Amino acid sequence: GQQVMQIPQYQHVQEGEDFTTYCNSSTTLSNIQWYKQRPGGHPVFLIQLVKSGEVKKQKRLTFQFGEAKKNSSLHITATQTTDVGTYFCAGWAGANNLFFGTGTRLTVIP
Amino acid sequence: EPEVTQTPSHQVTQMGQEVILRCVPISNHLYFYWYRQILGQKVEFLVSFYNNEISEKSEIFDDQFSVERPDGSNFTLKIRSTKLEDSAMYFCASSPPGARNQPQHFGDGTRLSIL
Repeated sequence: GQQVMQIPQYQHVQEGEDFTTYCNSSTTLSNIQWYKQRPGGHPVFLIQLVKSGEVKKQKRLTFQFGEAKKNSSLHITATQTTDVGTYFCAGWAGANNLFFGTGTRLTVIP
Repeated sequence: EPEVTQTPSHQVTQMGQEVILRCVPISNHLYFYWYRQILGQKVEFLVSFYNNEISEKSEIFDDQFSVERPDGSNFTLKIRSTKLEDSAMYFCASSPPGARNQPQHFGDGTRLSIL
């Protein structure tokens, strides 16, 4: 079955350092979405990427969709304590459901 | 901003009992979903619902589970004969009309604890 893996599983950074999480799918995706889940919260949609090689930016966050549409990355520049949470990629592969990745839990040390 | 609302926020139930988790999706949304998240793990798809019927369901969504949209606003998940391993956070989500693969809006979830 479809699998979406993310690495690393956990990441601790000092405030101000950069952070990157990588997402790899076992199948080609029609699009990929990124969600953030704060501790004790629910997933909140961040962005959607559709095109091969697409790059999108939201302030300090940069999202990329791989050329083969099987991988994606999220990079945060100069992390802040408000960035704490678990970041999930989630992909559609033509089925009627969104398949979530394993998530990367980010801790930012002040 | 419109929100997906879920009730109750926490449900404690004896093993073997039935539970009904309730959700009110955003009013103009047409696609509805239930997900499960065991503590510290990833979000797992259970079922999608569109046009008053199930669109897709995962392997987790067996005969123990059912969904219903009893009126124009509520969307419920029923779990019959609950088991200890059903303890998890259950999230409802909805997405607007148009393409199916649009961003989903999640509720705050119901924490289900089976004793």
